[in-house]
Parts: sequence; structure tokens; C-alpha cells
Amino acid sequence: GQNIDQPTEMTATEGAIVQINCTYQTSGFNGLFWYQQHAGEAPTFLSYNVLDGLEEKGRFSSFLSRSKGYSYLLLKELQMKDSASYLCAVREGSTLGRLYFGRGTQLTVWP
Amino acid sequence: EAQVTQNPRYLITVTGKKLTVTCSQNMNHEYMSWYRQDPGLGLRQIYYSMNVEVTDKGDVPEGYKVSRKEKRNFPLILESPSPNQTSLYFCASRAGQAHPYEQYFGPGTRLTVT
Repeated sequence: GQNIDQPTEMTATEGAIVQINCTYQTSGFNGLFWYQQHAGEAPTFLSYNVLDGLEEKGRFSSFLSRSKGYSYLLLKELQMKDSASYLCAVREGSTLGRLYFGRGTQLTVWP
Repeated sequence: EAQVTQNPRYLITVTGKKLTVTCSQNMNHEYMSWYRQDPGLGLRQIYYSMNVEVTDKGDVPEGYKVSRKEKRNFPLILESPSPNQTSLYFCASRAGQAHPYEQYFGPGTRLTVT
């Protein structure tokens, strides 16, 4: 299994930048995922990292360091609609391996 | 439209009355999963299936059953529901090899057991 840690809550203001960290421990790492989940809705896929480095997709970027067991999700130019829970998930073993989710970071964006 | 559907979306039932939550995907995905989500505990996997007739337990399988007789369907069965199974349930699917990174979630089923 996995041990995935991320902060429980974060707050930020509109237009700002926020970084959500995720640390993990695994014996068979095969990719790290970030999902966004609005209250009462299904998680939606944001990003995927399997190699070290930064993946950029519009206002969102995700970074991975496999040697440190560490990832972060960077959200720029925050908007009110970015208020949501952000889930870090690690895949184990292979592309058919299980996904293990962290407990999520609840981000609140203030005007 | 590529999607995962679940039914029902909301269900209130009583202890011990057998129920089934259906899940269907139209993307020809090999891999399907069921999760439950509870406040403070995050998403926990109940069962998963790598293909037809291949299923395995996740982290919290007690009190649940699944079957995978067809590739598109993966129903979750609660033979004798109890109040501790009150939760928000999500079905999910993804391709096995071709597109390994994106998992699609159904809209969720909110179950209350009294």
C-alpha cells in the first residue's frame, strides 16, 4: 500500500498562487495523479507525472521528485471556482496497478 | 459522449435490505473500480476489476460484493447493508494499457442506511 500525505486545508486570495504539497511512500511507484473535486461532485483529472520534473497545463502545473517521494500542484491566477478539494493519488506497480488516494486538500479561495 | 454512469444517484434504505448500485462505462475500458468517500477519510477502494471475470479486493471490501460479467458493467452489491455503509460511492474506469493515466469517475451515489 501507500502512505500519502497532503495538508488538510489551505486558503488563498483571488489572483494569487498556491502550492499544494503531497508526499508519499511506496515500494512500486508508477505515476502520480492530481484530481480536483468540487463538493458533492466526482473527482476530475488534472495532471499526471511519472518522470521527475514539471508538467504545465494552463494555470495548473504539477511537479514530481521520485527520489524525495514528493509532488506539488501549483495553481496560478487563482479564481473563485478553484475552491475545491485537491486529491493526490499514486499508482502502484504497473499501468494496471491500483490508485491510492490521499485524503485531499480543501482549498478555499477568497475574493 | 465518453462517460461512466451510476444508478441510483441517491438511495435511502433500511438495515438488511439487499441493494445493488449499477455502474456502466461506454469507453471499452478494462479497469473498473468502486470507491467510497467519507469525511476525513478520503477515497478508499472497495473492489476493482482488471477485466471481465477478474475482480479483487481493495482496502475496504467487507460487506460488499461485485461482479464483472460484461466489460461495460461493474455492479456493487450490498447483501445486508448496515448504517456504517452510509457513504458517497464512486465508480471509476480507465483503459488498461492504451491510455494509462486518466481515470474517469461516475457522478456518485449517495447512500443512507437507517
